[in-house]
Amino acid sequence: NAGVMQNPRHLVRRRGQEARLRCSPMKGHSHVYWYRQLPEEGLKFMVYLQKENIIDESGMPKERFSAEFPKEGPSILRIQQVVRGDSAAYFCASSPISVNNEQFFGPGTRLTVL
Amino acid sequence: TQLLEQSPQFLSIQEGENLTVYCNSSSVFSSLQWYRQEPGEGPVLLVTVVTGGEVKKLKRLTFQFGDARKDSSLHITAAQPGDTGLYLCAGRGSGNTPLVFGKGTRLSVIA
Repeated sequence: NAGVMQNPRHLVRRRGQEARLRCSPMKGHSHVYWYRQLPEEGLKFMVYLQKENIIDESGMPKERFSAEFPKEGPSILRIQQVVRGDSAAYFCASSPISVNNEQFFGPGTRLTVL
Repeated sequence: TQLLEQSPQFLSIQEGENLTVYCNSSSVFSSLQWYRQEPGEGPVLLVTVVTGGEVKKLKRLTFQFGDARKDSSLHITAAQPGDTGLYLCAGRGSGNTPLVFGKGTRLSVIA
């Protein structure tokens, strides 16, 4: 039973380029969450999606960032025109329909913007 | 905005010692989770506590949820080098609100 998969594990981009981060949830999980973690910091919530729907994007920057979770395929976090401040570890988590909202995390994508 | 404060931020102890780390808030949470994160990896869920006053044990780890569901503690007995890592608490408010994470306690257990 595979866990949450994220790719790529490491991504290097130059300022102004686009970054696409992918997340495949655990089998049977229909809820996906994206978080950002800076060094020596906790995880900051970005967005919560279900299949084909954005449920809560209160943590997403208003510009350049978008997320989707299509009916088929992985969830995608897209960052356009990256800047150095976007350098961070981006984690995806998935959960089943659960009252306790237990979330299971992927290994993360480490984005470095040069 | 709900905030979770974790203390201490850093803790370095000798193998065999006991320790307690804390997770505090002024807000009430419907549930609280503890995770451990190792360098270069994602957080791994250790436990979920739901009921005020609840105590859960996971081998040498004991988790407690405060009576008012505003705080939690993690106690490790006879720490081992394998316990080294970043311990994160995360709380969920009412309804379908996102998890709120503390900044974590970075534990180092020296052999």
